[in-house]
Amino acid sequence: SQTIHQWPATLVQPVGSPLSLECTVEGTSNPNLYWYRQAAGRGLQLLFYSVGIGQISSEVPQNLSASRPQDRQFILSSKKLLLSDSGFYLCAWSVSYGYTFGSGTRLTVV
Amino acid sequence: AQRVTQPEKLLSVFKGAPVELKCNYSYSGSPELFWYVQYSRQRLQLLLRHISRESIKGFTADLNKGETSFHLKKPFAQEEDSAMYYCALLPYTGKLIFGQGTTLQVKP
Repeated sequence: SQTIHQWPATLVQPVGSPLSLECTVEGTSNPNLYWYRQAAGRGLQLLFYSVGIGQISSEVPQNLSASRPQDRQFILSSKKLLLSDSGFYLCAWSVSYGYTFGSGTRLTVV
Repeated sequence: AQRVTQPEKLLSVFKGAPVELKCNYSYSGSPELFWYVQYSRQRLQLLLRHISRESIKGFTADLNKGETSFHLKKPFAQEEDSAMYYCALLPYTGKLIFGQGTTLQVKP
């Protein structure tokens, strides 16, 4: 069956520390992968999407980066977190316009 | 510009009352619209899509191109409907655009 795993569920990190959030997909090949973020009082905003290994497109300028080292692995990173990076991060994949979402990571930068 | 607007951050109703969660969109082409729902401690999941013209859990949504709206409705709210609801637009790029989300609170 098709599933998506995202971890950790919650994370509290100090300002200036690095970040690595991981998302893996099972049961499908060559999916389109997405990272979304919901900041306080705002909707889900698309941060990055990937149509294949090593292919990353950034939707908005930010302090974050993404990588796709394997077909079913999508990583969200930061070298130095800012307070404004706090939010709820969702990984998603789509095949033929059907979207499946991960369980999300609540990141609090303190 | 492609945009989805959900004007209400929170909608609170009593059990049995009608519910309407508002969604307006801005898109120059033919829109493909969705409602997603996230129940407490669960994943974001698809509730319904306008193409299907279906009713899920008693909810319906009609696309009104004249008013550029896709409001979600249910005649009699249930406590288990309490959740966060997102309206979303899928443009030709294939990248979902979400609204800000509306928290529906159904009180007993």
